[in-house]
Amino acid sequence: DAKTTQPNSMESNEEEPVHLPCNHSTISGTDYIHWYRQLPSQGPEYVIHGLTSNVNNRMASLAIAEDRKSSTLILHRATLRDAAVYYCILRGLTQGGSEKLVFGKGTKLTVNP
Amino acid sequence: GAGVSQTPSNKVTEKGKYVELRCDPISGHTALYWYRQSLGQGPEFLIYFQGTGAADDSGLPNDRFFAVRPEGSVSTLKIQRTERGDSAVYLCASSLYSRGEAFFGQGTRLTVV
Repeated sequence: DAKTTQPNSMESNEEEPVHLPCNHSTISGTDYIHWYRQLPSQGPEYVIHGLTSNVNNRMASLAIAEDRKSSTLILHRATLRDAAVYYCILRGLTQGGSEKLVFGKGTKLTVNP
Repeated sequence: GAGVSQTPSNKVTEKGKYVELRCDPISGHTALYWYRQSLGQGPEFLIYFQGTGAADDSGLPNDRFFAVRPEGSVSTLKIQRTERGDSAVYLCASSLYSRGEAFFGQGTRLTVV
């Protein structure tokens, strides 16, 4: 399973943008980059995913480096409800790739009022 | 229901007993995953079903753990001769197809005393 590296923790202030980095230097050409987050006492929830181009949805934006060896999840205006552990996951597309999501330890985001 | 439902939400059992944990996926979702999560760790993959069959059971820790999905919908995770080390939150997720967005339940907190 391709591995990702994330900082253990980050802090942000409410209503400020947050940039959560992820390194994935061993990514293969068909791996999608997925982000999930887990709020306290909840199961993980999907945030966003992408392959090569930057992606936007109602929750966040995903910026993918040109060489695809790193990516950044961007929360444009953090709220207290965004405090969670954020997981960056690589998911294979080929038949031989893993169907499962392989979670690391993620980044614990603290949002200060 | 609209989401993935797991029952019970909490289960306390004595060491050596047998337990069953149930997962009701979102209707129509063909892929179903079981994970377990210990405090401070990311979810750890256990088993993945595509329809009725276990497509990947590489995460089951030993032969005390078994899971079934006889009709391709509800799944049951079965743990025999429980040990204190089995204490964790057991998470279930489903997705419409094997590489689609995964929707997680709230989990079952298992405590073995």
